[in-house]
Formats: sequence, C-alpha cells, structure tokens
Amino acid sequence: DSGVTQTPKHLITATGQRVTLRCSPRSGDLSVYWYQQSLDQGLQFLIQYYNGEERAKGNILERFSAQQFPDLHSELNLSSLELGDSALYFCASSQRTGDYGYTFGSGTRLTVV
Amino acid sequence: AQKVTQAQTEISVVEKEDVTLDCVYETRDTTYYLFWYKQPPSGELVFLIRRNSFDEQNEISGRYSWNFQKSTSSFNFTITASQVVDSAVYFCALSSRLYNNNDMRFGAGTRLTVKP
Repeated sequence: DSGVTQTPKHLITATGQRVTLRCSPRSGDLSVYWYQQSLDQGLQFLIQYYNGEERAKGNILERFSAQQFPDLHSELNLSSLELGDSALYFCASSQRTGDYGYTFGSGTRLTVV
Repeated sequence: AQKVTQAQTEISVVEKEDVTLDCVYETRDTTYYLFWYKQPPSGELVFLIRRNSFDEQNEISGRYSWNFQKSTSSFNFTITASQVVDSAVYFCALSSRLYNNNDMRFGAGTRLTVKP
C-alpha cells in the first residue's frame, strides 16, 4: 500500500456522462497530481494542486476539472465523456515539490462505452 | 522544454539474461531530478530510484543498477540476471527546478518481457 488512495478502482460509464474520481494523498503530503495513462498517449500530466490551490496545469481538457479540499483530498471531475477518455487515471502525491518523486495511487480505470 | 525519450518500445529477454533500458532526457535546467518507475501487470506505478543532477555516481541495488551520464544526457537502467517477475513497463521521468518540480515528464515507457 503506497499510502495514496484512489476510488473507485474501476468505472464503466456511457458517453456524455460525468464522473468524479477521488484521491486521498499520503499522510503529510500537500501536493496532489493527476495523470492520465492511455494506450496511445502514455502518461500525461493533467493538473497539480498544492495545499488547496491549483499550482500547475498540463494537458487537461476543458471538460475536465479538479479541486483539492481543505482535508487535502482531491477530486477529478470528467464531464461530457467521450470514448477517447477511456484510460487509467492516476493520482500522485508529494510533500511539497516533486524533488523526491511522487507516490502514486493504484489508479482508476475508466471505461467509456 | 523538458523531454524524456525511451527509444525502446519493447524488449524481450530470456530469464537470467542482463538487459539495459535506455533513457535520454532534455532540459534547460541545471538542477533536475531523474526517476525510474516500474509498472507491473497489476497496473500500479512503483518508484525505483531518484537521482539529482549533481550526483553522477552510479547506483546498484541488488540486481538493479543505474548509469547516469550528464555528458550524454542519459540515465540508463540495467537489470542483471533478469527474472520473470521483472516483466513490466518501465518509465523514466524528469522533473526540474525550472518548472518548480510541478510537472514530472515521463518517457513513453519500455515494456520488458522476461521469458522463462
């Protein structure tokens, strides 16, 4: 157990729907990162939050949004889902910066049908 | 720009063979960090090693060793006497102070298959 908890582990939903992925960072970590891993795109950085504030944005679609709550857990919201959004979504956390690397959760596998 | 290239998409070896996974990186920063992660078939990402740009010493951990060469911008990973359990996708990654370590860039990954 890495200490980073992601729920749910698997999600199957229809096109056009909206889903929320949840992440609880490792105890003591203030930064949360979201990554998308699809077969043709590899691991793509989506967004980072630090202590409740958005810190960096990567290749995140406008249909996607995220937030980090006062208890430091984070949610990634995906809306108007398309078949191409099917992927493994990882959450990672680090203490402050990523100097010592990130600790990844086990991921949420999203399948859009 | 930051970039990590893992030119080897897939490698297949027979158990007990040695195998080297290549990683070449690009960054404008002088302070940066390099990482290797392992993704076994179960899907989780497992941290293997971290190296900062000021430490060019090679590292050995059991059957794993890493060769960091700034002159060639490479951070290669060698598995000695490979085992079936080493079968996984291996990712090389880079983060730098220039980007405040907010954006760890991953290579495309190398899928290693170790056959019995």
